[in-house]
Amino acid sequence: QSVLTQPPSTSGTPGQRVTISCSGSSSNIGSNHVYWYQQLPGTAPKLLICRNDQRPSGVPDRFSGSKSGTSASLAISGLRSEDEADYYCATWDDSMSGRVFGGGTRLTVL
Amino acid sequence: EVQLVESGGESVQPGGSLRLSCAASGFIFSDLYMDWVRQAPGKGLEWVGRIRNKLNGYTTEYAASVEGRFTISRDDSKKSLYLQMNSLKTEDTAVYYCTRAYTSTSRGIGYWGQGTLVTVSS
Repeated sequence: QSVLTQPPSTSGTPGQRVTISCSGSSSNIGSNHVYWYQQLPGTAPKLLICRNDQRPSGVPDRFSGSKSGTSASLAISGLRSEDEADYYCATWDDSMSGRVFGGGTRLTVL
Repeated sequence: EVQLVESGGESVQPGGSLRLSCAASGFIFSDLYMDWVRQAPGKGLEWVGRIRNKLNGYTTEYAASVEGRFTISRDDSKKSLYLQMNSLKTEDTAVYYCTRAYTSTSRGIGYWGQGTLVTVSS
């Protein structure tokens, strides 16, 4: 069981907007920045969102992040077929003195 | 361009040892915290451990699942990160990723290597 809770799967059609949730606690999301990663099939993860809501250079503005209390969300607008991937949230956990990941959400573009 | 290139992954028997290496380039290695993350076949990401930079004493932290068996070290002069794995178990089978912090002050993982596969099997 992952410390951060994500839905195992979600789906959408091209052009649609989807959101992926990430739920934690006061010792992790509640007190540290959240990062989001995209993992395309057969490749290493890639940073999508840092510090809750900031997009690194090169990441399309279709991707956005937010955080409220002990939960965070990743939104993908204008869904494309190439967005089909696994998405992970991550943060630091002060109680565990370690980095924690969500279990991952598989996005299917129908 | 940031590059992280892992090596050393191979097949090993339970109880054995293995040392992974990560060669870094394209950034000031000595400034940054470095992590190892692993991914078992068909599973999600699992944090292995972290080593701080010289300014913060090269201190380390580990996941409970590897504490006491794995050791992370670094050689700033060689821009290299290492993971010494002892007393390996079948459940340590995974792709191991070398990662670096996003920046010296934003210490979440910002960059990933391509990974190296470790298989623990008799």
